[in-house]
Amino acid sequence: RKEVEQDPGPFNVPEGATVAFNCTYSNSASQSFFWYRQDCRKEPKLLMSVYSSGNEDGRFTAQLNRASQYISLLIRDSKLSDSATYLCVVNIRPSGNTPLVFGKGTRLSVIA
Amino acid sequence: EPEVTQTPSHQVTQMGQEVILRCVPISNHLYFYWYRQILGQKVEFLVSFYNNEISEKSEIFDDQFSVERPDGSNFTLKIRSTKLEDSAMYFCASSTPGARTGNTIYFGEGSWLTVV
Repeated sequence: RKEVEQDPGPFNVPEGATVAFNCTYSNSASQSFFWYRQDCRKEPKLLMSVYSSGNEDGRFTAQLNRASQYISLLIRDSKLSDSATYLCVVNIRPSGNTPLVFGKGTRLSVIA
Repeated sequence: EPEVTQTPSHQVTQMGQEVILRCVPISNHLYFYWYRQILGQKVEFLVSFYNNEISEKSEIFDDQFSVERPDGSNFTLKIRSTKLEDSAMYFCASSTPGARTGNTIYFGEGSWLTVV
């Protein structure tokens, strides 16, 4: 089983749509969870951390279900600039500065 | 905003040649990393470096790879004898000590290596 699995995509949505991405992770000892955004041939950039209580940052909402080992990202009111690949990322150890485990990513295309 | 800088942005090399990829981490960061991403694949961890030594490495980081911090600012990844399968984007990253990775880890823009 892959360590971090994501919806394969691509997701093609019109501007203004709401879109949700899912991610599952295999290691139940995983400690920290994140969503990164990656534009074509660019570096990953942190979008948001994911907390057990769920968290929101503007149009973006992330949720974590530790029992199901499931993470989600919801994007409301999609903009053209949201077009990118969204990477689900997990840190399996409690201390910082340990390797991040990346999912393969889900590609989003927002069309006018 | 502070940033990690990498050179070169793109390098083409012949199979069997040595390649050195260079990185300047953010100045007050103490943890340094190399990740790579083969085209169309996921980002994969290669190695982490702290206090002038490797703190962790993945299975990918075999004997043909080495890292060095030759001075106070640069952090390099050397591939001794490149193979076709080494073609990938190599990302350098750095982070602040004690912080939860991901909250404060910063990636450079990457060095695209093509082995022919």
